[in-house]
Amino acid sequence: TQLLEQSPQFLSIQEGENLTVYCNSSSVFSSLQWYRQEPGEGPVLLVTVVTGGEVKKLKRLTFQFGDARKDSSLHITAAQPGDTGLYLCAGDRGFQKLVFGTGTRLLVSP
Amino acid sequence: KAGVTQTPRYLIKTRGQQVTLSCSPISGHRSVSWYQQTPGQGLQFLFEYFSETQRNKGNFPGRFSGRQFSNSRSEMNVSTLELGDSALYLCASSLDAARGKNIQYFGAGTRLSVL
Repeated sequence: TQLLEQSPQFLSIQEGENLTVYCNSSSVFSSLQWYRQEPGEGPVLLVTVVTGGEVKKLKRLTFQFGDARKDSSLHITAAQPGDTGLYLCAGDRGFQKLVFGTGTRLLVSP
Repeated sequence: KAGVTQTPRYLIKTRGQQVTLSCSPISGHRSVSWYQQTPGQGLQFLFEYFSETQRNKGNFPGRFSGRQFSNSRSEMNVSTLELGDSALYLCASSLDAARGKNIQYFGAGTRLSVL
């Protein structure tokens, strides 16, 4: 059973466009993390959100944690080819293991 | 500070064989977790070790096992390999996978192909 569902699964856009990736669950998480993974590499942590309703910004990326700590979103403004990769959300239920989402594969074309 | 190092990067085995993968965590990190990544199932948790003890285990058969040494380095072993074991195996280390502070740093992975 996949506890975290991400949407969309695939996204192909042009440079300069905006996009939002969603991460949804029926479970509550003590924190939620977003990673980006590039081909041939392991996931790299982008951000951790802990408090319900929390919003964090990382340059053109905006992350939001839902009020009930069950869902999160990642918004990218003016996407660039360097944003291409697999985006993964991961929920921490405090049991010493992360539950990863299904992933969103983003392709940004010049 | 060196990152998480996994060896080997690529491995080809045949069905029925066994394989051992190695992971060296970031210096000072005592928690090591292993994940399997496949296109169909995504990233799935295998197990986590802390101070040489397995603290948590995912839903994988007993063919998958691991251990951690006193220097925090970890190995995972897969016995009687099956075609479905072909995957990218990722190791991640953290200071301690404590509640709300489970920030994990991943290695580049070992890509295992079972023929």
